[in-house]
Amino acid sequence: GQSLEQPSEVTAVEGAIVQINCTYQTSGFYGLSWYQQHDGGAPTFLSYNALDGLEETGRFSSFLSRSDSYGYLLLQELQMKDSASYFCAVRGNFNKFYFGSGTKLNVKP
Amino acid sequence: DTGVSQDPRHKITKRGQNVTFRCDPISEHNRLYWYRQTLGQGPEFLTYFQNEAQLEKSRLLSDRFSAERPKGSFSTLEIQRTEQGDSAMYLCASSLAVVGENTEAFFGQGTRLTVV
Repeated sequence: GQSLEQPSEVTAVEGAIVQINCTYQTSGFYGLSWYQQHDGGAPTFLSYNALDGLEETGRFSSFLSRSDSYGYLLLQELQMKDSASYFCAVRGNFNKFYFGSGTKLNVKP
Repeated sequence: DTGVSQDPRHKITKRGQNVTFRCDPISEHNRLYWYRQTLGQGPEFLTYFQNEAQLEKSRLLSDRFSAERPKGSFSTLEIQRTEQGDSAMYLCASSLAVVGENTEAFFGQGTRLTVV
């Protein structure tokens, strides 16, 4: 089976840096993805790590350590529009994704 | 192509009624997935298709649920004899799978089902 753990809620101020951690236990693993979801919206893809290390895409970076079954999403220069839920998801066989329960990020002015 | 589209966006139905949702994936995508999301939770995998073949069904998908993708393009998800516990957001996603490579999955806006 699949099990993913991430904090339920994080609060930070505009301009700050925030890190959202994700630990996973899985029977099949091809990579770790991160999705952003605004209230009432669809999950939108942010990043994907198949190998250990850091992937950077603009203000967002994602890290993976396969040996520790751990990853994180790093959001820099926070903006109010970054307030949303963030999900880590294990990519398993046949491109199926298994999602965590999500971290609600509150960005305050 | 405008991405994955789902119809309807919202559905309110009485307990015991049947409902059907439609998903139109990105046109060149050969894989199509259905997920269910309840409030405060991440999406849960229900089933997926490779072209028109349904290759896997989650244990979450009871006998009241059936999904089809008759021509390998759009898909339908039907729930028979709806129960209040079926109230959720039903998400469709699609991706392109080629030998040795998988693209990311793109999600539709979802169909929010409320069973009263």
